[in-house]
Amino acid sequence: GAVVSQHPSWVICKSGTSVKIECRSLDFQATTMFWYRQFPKQSLMLMATSNEGSKATYEQGVEKDKFLINHASLTLSTLTVTSAHPEDSSFYICSALGLADYNEQFFGPGTRLTVL
Amino acid sequence: DQQVKQNSPSLSVQEGRISILNCDYTNSMFDYFLWYKKYPAEGPTFLISISSIKDKNEDGRFTVFLNKSAKHLSLHIVPSPPGDSAVYFCAASAGAQKLVFGQGTRLTINP
Repeated sequence: GAVVSQHPSWVICKSGTSVKIECRSLDFQATTMFWYRQFPKQSLMLMATSNEGSKATYEQGVEKDKFLINHASLTLSTLTVTSAHPEDSSFYICSALGLADYNEQFFGPGTRLTVL
Repeated sequence: DQQVKQNSPSLSVQEGRISILNCDYTNSMFDYFLWYKKYPAEGPTFLISISSIKDKNEDGRFTVFLNKSAKHLSLHIVPSPPGDSAVYFCAASAGAQKLVFGQGTRLTINP
């Protein structure tokens, strides 16, 4: 099946710094990728939809200037958490939309961000 | 507004028995439903899906039932080995690719 990787798998940073998370589709091209956030014992919440070569579409309540998304190629999307604060500590998961099945998303392993 | 609801945060099942996980939704525009399994600190793993034109889909140990009139779907897992202990999420989409997830149900398989 399709494989999606994320890097790093976990990161600890100081408050006020920026952190970049990469999401790669390893064996397929993904024109659309999604970024989710999951707080402990809660559901996965969609943050934004990332389309290759265009601006990301953010969900209501998600600050686009704080969570910068770049999808410069068909296999890579990046999420940068700018000026991170402790409340940004969460589990960030990306997914890539498969081409064979319109509705099937392939998820990455996730990145745990801890902001001190 | 929680459009996809999993009202049971946890479920315990004896090893080897059937596990039944439930999910309700409110948006009548949803036309595609999926179940995912998730271990701690890992991304979700796709299990099975069903289109709104069907009322049942079976894949190996997993069967999903969809009751459109009740806006309810369920996932049946038979049998249930200890390795099935995880959090199970149902998700739904309405034509577009965006998925809306339920809160998840933590399934514990007891030996």
